Amino acid sequence: AQSVAQPEDQVNVAEGNPLTVKCTYSVSGNPYLFWYVQYPNRGLQFLLKYITGDNLVKGSYGFEAEFNKSQTSFHLKKPSALVSDSALYFCAVRDLRTGANNLFFGTGTRLTVIP
Amino acid sequence: GAGVSQTPSNKVTEKGKYVELRCDPISGHTALYWYRQSLGQGPEFLIYFQGTGAADDSGLPNDRFFAVRPEGSVSTLKIQRTERGDSAVYLCASSPGRTGELFFGEGSRLTVL
Repeated sequence: AQSVAQPEDQVNVAEGNPLTVKCTYSVSGNPYLFWYVQYPNRGLQFLLKYITGDNLVKGSYGFEAEFNKSQTSFHLKKPSALVSDSALYFCAVRDLRTGANNLFFGTGTRLTVIP
Repeated sequence: GAGVSQTPSNKVTEKGKYVELRCDPISGHTALYWYRQSLGQGPEFLIYFQGTGAADDSGLPNDRFFAVRPEGSVSTLKIQRTERGDSAVYLCASSPGRTGELFFGEGSRLTVL
């Protein structure tokens, strides 16, 4: 069975500092990995994905994530946080081996960037 | 339209009533998904359509929930005999294929009194 863990419910960071939002996954085969962001009263917006290839993937709004197969992690990072980055972030995985059609989401991490 | 459209954006109903939630996906997207998101939780998979058929309905919680996509575009999620526990935001997403990202609508917030 596939699963995603976001160990931190809340992450606080000062504006201008680097940020990291953690995600670990468990799948039986090779994963497709995704990050989504959700602003208040809005739907989920796609940030970036890892399918294959370079372990470091770059996405929208200056975010990037590093796929680490040995640690089964896909942490979201940004070199310099903005107040406007404050939102709810979700990691998601699709297990290729099971052929699962849906994305399985973590429980989310609320990021607060302090001015 | 440019994105996934969901109507209504808010629905308040009484326990026991019937509810329909509509999703209009991005034009040309063959895959359509319904998710449910409760407060403080991540989206929970309900059902997946490839074209007109429900390819995977393993996430539907019980037989009160049903979804259709008769022409392979617009989909309707139907909930019979609503219960207070059905209160949540129902999210629809579409995708051009099985390996790509999902594009989400803004959701329909259902409140069952």
